[in-house]
Amino acid sequence: EAQVTQNPRYLITVTGKKLTVTCSQNMNHEYMSWYRQDPGLGLRQIYYSMNVEVTDKGDVPEGYKVSRKEKRNFPLILESPSPNQTSLYFCASSLFRGSMGETQYFGPGTRLLVL
Amino acid sequence: AQKITQTQPGMFVQEKEAVTLDCTYDTSDPSYGLFWYKQPSSGEMIFLIYQGSYDQQNATEGRYSLNFQKARKSANLVISASQLGDSAMYFCAMRGDSGNTGKLIFGQGTTLQVKP
Repeated sequence: EAQVTQNPRYLITVTGKKLTVTCSQNMNHEYMSWYRQDPGLGLRQIYYSMNVEVTDKGDVPEGYKVSRKEKRNFPLILESPSPNQTSLYFCASSLFRGSMGETQYFGPGTRLLVL
Repeated sequence: AQKITQTQPGMFVQEKEAVTLDCTYDTSDPSYGLFWYKQPSSGEMIFLIYQGSYDQQNATEGRYSLNFQKARKSANLVISASQLGDSAMYFCAMRGDSGNTGKLIFGQGTTLQVKP
């Protein structure tokens, strides 16, 4: 089954404690990205990757890091989480063939609470 | 800069009636795509429908149709014959053809509640 998986699905942590949210896709997609969802703001892109070892900032990258060492995995790293990073996080992937209508597949989401 | 605006934070509709969710957009890209996603209370993002900027006809997918008015820069979602399972948050999103072409720009979302 084609899917994007994220772990953990729920996480409560404390300020400053490093954490990693994993994302994996089994569709051999080149393009992967991370979004955060906040009430009244919709989803905003944090980072994206067009292929292995190619990553770039999205609209709200501060406080986050990513890596793309393998095509299927795109972890999101919070080196020193702060309460303003409490949010719902989505990983997404798609082919990158230039077609505007390419479907983006979203993971199930990770709810993060930073105390 | 690209922008999506959804001006209806919440909507109610009676079961079996049709409902229109509004979406306006702003972009300078000559080619772009417009998407609608559904987010039920469980949180996942479900793709509903897509409209390309050069598509001649409005997109339809089952009970979903997209009322695309290019001159007005609007891409409203029409749900016909509403069902209780349609209660969810709905997001309009846009994808442009310059720079980071994989990025989706999302609106604020509209919460739809279907009344029995």
